[in-house]
Amino acid sequence: NAGVTQTPKFRVLKTGQSMTLLCAQDMNHEYMYWYRQDPGMGLRLIHYSVGEGTTAKGEVPDGYNVSRLKKQNFLLGLESAAPSQTSVYFCASSYRVGVSPNTEAFFGQGTRLTVV
Amino acid sequence: AQKITQTQPGMFVQEKEAVTLDCTYDTSDPSYGLFWYKQPSSGEMIFLIYQGSYDQQNATEGRYSLNFQKARKSANLVISASQLGDSAMYFCAMRVFNSGNTPLVFGKGTRLSVIA
Repeated sequence: NAGVTQTPKFRVLKTGQSMTLLCAQDMNHEYMYWYRQDPGMGLRLIHYSVGEGTTAKGEVPDGYNVSRLKKQNFLLGLESAAPSQTSVYFCASSYRVGVSPNTEAFFGQGTRLTVV
Repeated sequence: AQKITQTQPGMFVQEKEAVTLDCTYDTSDPSYGLFWYKQPSSGEMIFLIYQGSYDQQNATEGRYSLNFQKARKSANLVISASQLGDSAMYFCAMRVFNSGNTPLVFGKGTRLSVIA
């Protein structure tokens, strides 16, 4: 039972570099989310997707792009990394409301990203 | 837009005692769900308990119970008989069900420390 898998788990980037974080889920969930976690700020939503081919902005979308070409994958891209994007990134997935009584989100293990 | 407020940045509790973690929420939608997650120092997000806005009874899961007061818009987590392993960050979250495709929104969290 893999659940939600994030790749990579750790990464150090130089300012201006680009990278893509990959999230994969094997639970056939419709919804997928990307959050960032910073000390004292809780989990803030970056982008989310309610289905294959659709994405929407969350609370802190600037500097990030996402794509959901396949239902099981949700990619988070940083085109030009900045030190302010140093954070722990979490991917999560859940069923669409009405599909299942279980509406909780399942989380990946997180990606610790440092931008120097 | 929905909002979650956790006003206790940190809490201490003696081992074997009960503790209440506060959560208030704001939404104008009548159909929603409230969630609590635990994040131990290892970093993973663990789902604890769920309460639906139309549920007649307060949710319980083992030592966890949710004190749901709809009129006050509060959904406090009660942990009975605290254990050292309960030391962690605790997050309250909400998802609105009637307004289409809404994501899961989190509060800033409460750090609980259990003292022997």
